[in-house]
Amino acid sequence: GAGVSQSPRYKVAKRGQDVALRCDPISGHVSLFWYQQALGQGPEFLTYFQNEAQLDKSGLPSDRFFAERPEGSVSTLKIQRTQQEDSAVYLCASSLAAGEETQYFGPGTRLLVL
Amino acid sequence: GENVEQHPSTLSVQEGDSAVIKCTYSDSASNYFPWYKQELGKGPQLIIDIRSNVGEKKDQRIAVTLNKTAKHFSLHITETQPEDSAVYFCAASYSTGNQFYFGTGTSLTVIP
Repeated sequence: GAGVSQSPRYKVAKRGQDVALRCDPISGHVSLFWYQQALGQGPEFLTYFQNEAQLDKSGLPSDRFFAERPEGSVSTLKIQRTQQEDSAVYLCASSLAAGEETQYFGPGTRLLVL
Repeated sequence: GENVEQHPSTLSVQEGDSAVIKCTYSDSASNYFPWYKQELGKGPQLIIDIRSNVGEKKDQRIAVTLNKTAKHFSLHITETQPEDSAVYFCAASYSTGNQFYFGTGTSLTVIP
């Protein structure tokens, strides 16, 4: 079946612009995660949804970052007033159920803020 | 929170040789340890995982060992092939919350 998909794959934004990154998890997966991966580093946790509920947003670096999953499937990560330090790959992952450990990752969105 | 360290950061091996990547973790509550392979421009792909009630797990040429007392775990790849070249990440998580804490990655190059 289809894996996790993300769009756009690449995004170039001018500093100060708002961006929206989309994640389509594997159909039926309850849990959804967002990670940020800086160049040459491992992914770092941003936020976690169980269905439509955002259960953990402790990794969001500032209040410019906002995530939602209103119908418990597709999720959007929004970054307002982008800054150069926001440049990174944003990865989305999903897992079948709450407490199910295996996470399946999408290809990521590479964001470059100029 | 959890802190995962990974070594080495880069590793070059001749085709057919073995490769070993090591990780340590800080929180004894962690009980799930996946390994991911990430190729250029792609998302991480799970290659093997181990839970804290198991000391070793093997899948064809790939094996993972876990030492809970010392809080370290290792990835072993035998009979390496050029297509094994990629960046490998270890991770740790608790039984609840499921947030993964990743290591900094190992860039593996298999020389034909």
